[in-house]
Amino acid sequence: SAVISQKPSRDICQRGTSLTIQCQVDSQVTMMFWYRQQPGQSLTLIATANQGSEATYESGFVIDKFPISRPNLTFSTLTVSNMSPEDSSIYLCSGRTGGDNEQFFGPGTRLTVL
Amino acid sequence: GQNIDQPTEMTATEGAIVQINCTYQTSGFNGLFWYQQHAGEAPTFLSYNVLDGLEEKGRFSSFLSRSKGYSYLLLKELQMKDSASYLCAVRDRGYQKVTFGIGTKLQVIP
Repeated sequence: SAVISQKPSRDICQRGTSLTIQCQVDSQVTMMFWYRQQPGQSLTLIATANQGSEATYESGFVIDKFPISRPNLTFSTLTVSNMSPEDSSIYLCSGRTGGDNEQFFGPGTRLTVL
Repeated sequence: GQNIDQPTEMTATEGAIVQINCTYQTSGFNGLFWYQQHAGEAPTFLSYNVLDGLEEKGRFSSFLSRSKGYSYLLLKELQMKDSASYLCAVRDRGYQKVTFGIGTKLQVIP
């Protein structure tokens, strides 16, 4: 199994600013993902973070709004750009190893945009 | 794409057994997950089924029927700490993304 940590755990931000969330895994994972979970709802996949190349975004999410980096197999960042109150949500990093059917989640970053 | 359905809420009594159902329609299927999520916490892995049948793991069991697009999570000897949301999730054929259902909020009462 893998242990995933995220920074910050929570933040309160002003409209129009940007926040970068960091995700660190304690072992190498082949796949890393970023999810969003809005209050009272389930998890929605934002994108798959690809090492050394552009992330693969799901429908409704674009790189200009949610730029993602993944410089190596254990680290990724998600930036929420030009924030609005609608971006208030929990953002979760997730990872999966190659031969492992289990997908692990970080503790999440609780973002509030005023 | 994936379409996943599960009940939004259930209530069960401490010590009893509860079954949470999940149905899915998918263009490609490569396994079904169940996760537990307590309020304010990240999801934690419970089970993964890729073949038909029942997988038992302590008090929790998960069943899959691929031909029917159906799964259930069975919780036995319910405890108060089992009060949580239970998320059904399907992985697509390309081993890539996992799509989550809305989750079933289970309340265990004394």
